[in-house]
Order: sequence, then C-alpha cells, then structure tokens
Amino acid sequence: DTEVTQTPKHLVMGMTNKKSLKCEQHMGHRAMYWYKQKAKKPPELMFVYSYEKLSINESVPSRFSPECPNSSLLNLHLHALQPEDSALYLCASSQTVQTSYGYTFGSGTRLTVV
Amino acid sequence: AQKITQTQPGMFVQEKEAVTLDCTYDTSDQSYGLFWYKQPSSGEMIFLIYQGSYDEQNATEGRYSLNFQKARKSANLVISASQLGDSAMYFCAMRESFGNEKLTFGTGTRLTIIP
Repeated sequence: DTEVTQTPKHLVMGMTNKKSLKCEQHMGHRAMYWYKQKAKKPPELMFVYSYEKLSINESVPSRFSPECPNSSLLNLHLHALQPEDSALYLCASSQTVQTSYGYTFGSGTRLTVV
Repeated sequence: AQKITQTQPGMFVQEKEAVTLDCTYDTSDQSYGLFWYKQPSSGEMIFLIYQGSYDEQNATEGRYSLNFQKARKSANLVISASQLGDSAMYFCAMRESFGNEKLTFGTGTRLTIIP
C-alpha cells in the first residue's frame, strides 16, 4: 500500500459546525503533515507530527485542531471556521522527517465554509 | 527572502517538444533535498523526481530529469517528449537539513501542452 487516503474528498460546512478531516497511511511512515492550499497558490504547512507527537505548529489558529491517534492516522478537527478557511487541505506522510525523504500526498479534501 | 523561486507562472509547449521548468533556491545548509511535484486540476500532488545536495549525478525518472547546478543554486526540471497529460501545475520544493521538517514550495508553473 503506497497511498495516503483522505476523507472526505469534499466538505461544505457552516461557520458554527464542527467537522473532522481524516488522513490514513499504511506505509509505516512516522512523519505526517497537514498542508493548506488556497486557489492558485502553493501548499502552506500547517502541522507536522513526528512519531505521533506534534513537532511543528505554524501558528495555525486554534479553530484547527490536529490529532494523531496512532502512527497510521491523522485527523484535523475543525470548529467555528471562517469563509476564508475555504481551501484544499492536503495530508502527506514521509518515512521520517529526514531531508532525503520526500512526501507522499493524499488527494486532498476540498473544504468550503459557508 | 524566497527560499524557492519559480519565475515562469505559465508556459505553453507544443506536444512532443521538450520543456524546461526553472527553479532556483536559497539555503545556507550543506545538506538539503530538492523535489518536483505535479498537481493536475484534480488536486493531488504527484511526486516526480528528487535530487539530494550531495548527489553528483543529475536525477532522472523516465521522461523527467533534473538539471542540478549546485553553484548556481538551480534545479530545473526537464520533461522530454511532452504529452497532453503533462498539462498541470508544477511545483519545485526544498527540504533543508535535520531539524527542519518543512517541505517549502515555490509558487509553481502552470504548464499547458498544445496538441
């Protein structure tokens, strides 16, 4: 299995809703990442988990809450989002956080906040 | 300062021709990795090719090759014999040394292959 699976593929939520994005990989990778990508822009790093511990939070607002329950699973909990949070949310994994290992990306969740 | 610079926002290339996508980078680390990703309109990021800073030979993967000029801090992607399916956004990215887990992306080049 060489894939990163993200669910759901599309999500529409209201500003008062609570929802979660899910990311799963079974490649034995020990580093997992959340990226946010606005239209016509490059992906921007949000969070890094290394060996199931949060190692980087890029000053992301607290309405985004990551969780790594085990080495295969990464969640992003969403609460009280704003319309400007509408974007493509990409999950990725790599063997470790060492330089030479590239990322395997999921196909993303397209989030629309209304 | 930008760590990764892609100066070509868009390119149009005739099918079957070769194309070079430019990428320059800025780092003071000795150990780093350079990556190219393809992003079709569907959104997934597809890994194309990797070049390590200590690799002496240019990386190649099928129709993709990376023209690595370390002294110029340049890592251009060359696609030979372009195909219609190559139409996509292409991102150059860099990962710096230990303790810096980020993969930093350039602004991308939108490549359109013309039949």
